Amino acid sequence: EIVLTQSPGTLSLSPGERVTLSCRASQSFTSNFLAWFQQKPGLPPRLLIYGASRRATDIPDRFSGSGSGTDFTLTISRLEPEDFAVYYCHQYGISPLTFGGGTKVEIK
Amino acid sequence: EVQLVQSGAEVKKPGESLKISCKGSGYSFTSYWITWVRQMPGKGLEWMGNIDPSDSYKNYSPSFQGHVTISTDKSITTAYLQWTSLKTSDTAMYYCARHLVAVPTAPDYWGQGTLVTVSS
Repeated sequence: EIVLTQSPGTLSLSPGERVTLSCRASQSFTSNFLAWFQQKPGLPPRLLIYGASRRATDIPDRFSGSGSGTDFTLTISRLEPEDFAVYYCHQYGISPLTFGGGTKVEIK
Repeated sequence: EVQLVQSGAEVKKPGESLKISCKGSGYSFTSYWITWVRQMPGKGLEWMGNIDPSDSYKNYSPSFQGHVTISTDKSITTAYLQWTSLKTSDTAMYYCARHLVAVPTAPDYWGQGTLVTVSS
């Protein structure tokens, strides 16, 4: 099973700041089947990024993904008030599929 | 419009059985896996397993194998998650989501979630 480790666990930031979230896999991916989700309280996850770097439909371009192999990153170029949420990475290439433990981005 | 609509919240006692549902509409139901994801209170997302509605081929996470059963009825475009004997530790929100069968894709549409509470 591929274990995804996200860091940090929590980030305290102000609107307008740039944020970089990390997701490290326990083994290398042969294809970049890595996604990022945003989840707000009481709502299902929302797909932001798939294929490590492709934005999902209607996702603002302040969200970007990068990485390959075992190290992946989600960057939010400039935090908007609606971006404060929990972010999860997810690998969907090798069964069992797995999620990272999440990073909470909270208002400082 | 693509929709995954899940059945309503459930309150059960330990040892009871339960079957929750996820109805897909607005797309070709047999072209997409249905995946089930657990979220325990205040915790992260856990992939439970998925099913190909075209032939009912299933994958389970080792963490959930033997404790839950995933099934589907493609005639009514509905997938199910069931337990024969619930535990208090099954208390959680359960989400269904879809992703393409043909090639690996990330789940793009999700149900609203079904809250299951197991308490004596």
